[in-house]
Amino acid sequence: GAVVSQHPSRVICKSGTSVKIECRSLDFQATTMFWYRQFPKKSLMLMATSNEGSKATYEQGVEKDKFLINHASLTLSTLTVTSAHPEDSSFYICSAPPLGGGQPQHFGDGTRLSIL
Amino acid sequence: RKEVEQDPGPFNVPEGATVAFNCTYSNSASQSFFWYRQDCRKEPKLLMSVYSSGNEDGRFTAQLNRASQYISLLIRDSKLSDSATYLCVVNTNAGKSTFGDGTTLTVKP
Repeated sequence: GAVVSQHPSRVICKSGTSVKIECRSLDFQATTMFWYRQFPKKSLMLMATSNEGSKATYEQGVEKDKFLINHASLTLSTLTVTSAHPEDSSFYICSAPPLGGGQPQHFGDGTRLSIL
Repeated sequence: RKEVEQDPGPFNVPEGATVAFNCTYSNSASQSFFWYRQDCRKEPKLLMSVYSSGNEDGRFTAQLNRASQYISLLIRDSKLSDSATYLCVVNTNAGKSTFGDGTTLTVKP
């Protein structure tokens, strides 16, 4: 089945660092990828939709300059958390849309980001 | 009102119990429906799709009522390993998913 690979799985870094998270579709091409964020004991919240070759679409309340999204190829989308601060600590997860009607999304393994 | 609402939980049940989770959604244009399972600090994993005709996978039964915009998940003969958070997920025809907040299940010996 379709596989989405997300890297890194865990990041611990100092405040002020920028962190890049990669999301790759391994056996299919994805013109669209979704980026979610999850706080403890809360559900996944859609942050933005990345679009291959064009600008990402951000959900209301998500800072575009803080969370830079790039979808440079049909198999790679990246999320960069710029100048990260402790409040950016969270679980970030990407997914590729369903390959057909009625099919589920394909999630990456997620990245747990901890900013000290 | 949230787009997808689930039982607040948590559910604490003994092994062998039957437990049911409910979910309602507000977007009548929603196209597809799923239950996911999420273990602590892990990504969500698909448990099963939900169809109007109802579907069963072993001890798990899912039901969809489009008229009422209601989804359910029934777990029979609960196992310790069923302890997790169960997420109700609703997709639009654009493939965008909306998640419920999840219901936490703890199965105790």
